[in-house]
Amino acid sequence: DTEVTQTPKHLVMGMTNKKSLKCEQHMGHRAMYWYKQKAKKPPELMFVYSYEKLSINESVPSRFSPECPNSSLLNLHLHALQPEDSALYLCASSQAGGLSYEQYFGPGTRLTVT
Amino acid sequence: GQNIDQPTEMTATEGAIVQINCTYQTSGFNGLFWYQQHAGEAPTFLSYNVLDGLEEKGRFSSFLSRSKGYSYLLLKELQMKDSASYLCAVRDLEGSQGNLIFGKGTKLSVKP
Repeated sequence: DTEVTQTPKHLVMGMTNKKSLKCEQHMGHRAMYWYKQKAKKPPELMFVYSYEKLSINESVPSRFSPECPNSSLLNLHLHALQPEDSALYLCASSQAGGLSYEQYFGPGTRLTVT
Repeated sequence: GQNIDQPTEMTATEGAIVQINCTYQTSGFNGLFWYQQHAGEAPTFLSYNVLDGLEEKGRFSSFLSRSKGYSYLLLKELQMKDSASYLCAVRDLEGSQGNLIFGKGTKLSVKP
């Protein structure tokens, strides 16, 4: 199984809503990532979890709250988002060590904030 | 600082060969990745170089010169389905996890 799955595929939410994005992998990877990608731009790193601990927060606003319940799951909790937060949110995973540890990306959740 | 440059757009003909260049400046280098991304889809891994030289994988090859801060992705026997964005990404060990820094991507259009 070399797949990273993400749910939901699409999400429309109002600025007062609370929602969560979910990501799952069963490759035994110990590093998991959240990226945000706006149209025609490269992915921008938001958070990194390594061995279920948050290791990088790229100065992301607190309205985005990550959670890693176990080594296979990664959540992104959303609250009081702004329209400019509309984007494709990509989850990725990789082995935490090794010479060649490419990141495997999930299909993404396309988020629209109204 | 960190900087990754690649051409914004390229056009090539079906069946031809195209080379997409990437130059980078990073504080601590630990590998360069190429990803393919079709519009509206997630990036998919194409290649990884950490040592100088050429890595070949079927129709795709990637080259790295660490001294020059330069890489290219070579696509042979182009097919229409190769129309996509190609992202160059560098793993920079400055900072805590050596995470990927992406270039802005090169949008390749393959014409019949």
